[in-house]
Amino acid sequence: DAKTTQPTSMDCAEGRAANLPCNHSTISGNEYVYWYRQIHSQGPQYIIHGLKNNETNEMASLIITEDRKSSTLILPHATLRDTAVYYCIVRIGSARQLTFGSGTQLTVLP
Amino acid sequence: GAVVSQHPSWVICKSGTSVKIECRSLDFQATTMFWYRQFPKQSLMLMATSNEGSKATYEQGVEKDKFLINHASLTLSTLTVTSAHPEDSSFYICSAHRPRTSTHNEQFFGPGTRLTVL
Repeated sequence: DAKTTQPTSMDCAEGRAANLPCNHSTISGNEYVYWYRQIHSQGPQYIIHGLKNNETNEMASLIITEDRKSSTLILPHATLRDTAVYYCIVRIGSARQLTFGSGTQLTVLP
Repeated sequence: GAVVSQHPSWVICKSGTSVKIECRSLDFQATTMFWYRQFPKQSLMLMATSNEGSKATYEQGVEKDKFLINHASLTLSTLTVTSAHPEDSSFYICSAHRPRTSTHNEQFFGPGTRLTVL
């Protein structure tokens, strides 16, 4: 799996959009970008994934650059409950394993 | 999304005893489950891959005789920490793999089990 690079931590004001970047410059053509988050002392939760097109679901939006070397997870209206560690993972869609990096600690401030 | 449960959610045991942690997929069949370990302020580290009806595959550095994995059914995998020591104290998380018809294979995580060895 391609290596990803994320900032260690970010803050965001409640109600504002949280934009979490991820660099994956060595991504292969058949690798997807996945985002998971882990709220303190809980198991990780799937957020969204994409290959090359931008994706949106009820939780977030995923913007992938045209060269696919980086992506941004957008939480449009962050709440206090969005405080968590966010993991960007790159892997082949058919692969079963997930390899977690260090992630970004997002803190939503009141 | 699908639900994966773990039991117990937390356990405290004495050094030298064994502890069993259960991981269940509640509404789907999981031919593959994964066990992770997470130390404080660190990321999840994959310990082993559990395949129904066959032996588990352990990651490098994980002792298979210490961390016994059994995946006897399509909805249950167990992790037994044998002869536990204080350094085994950690947050243990399982996940269950649910294949889909698309190219995306989903993985659902349990809530985790906090093990404290005294």
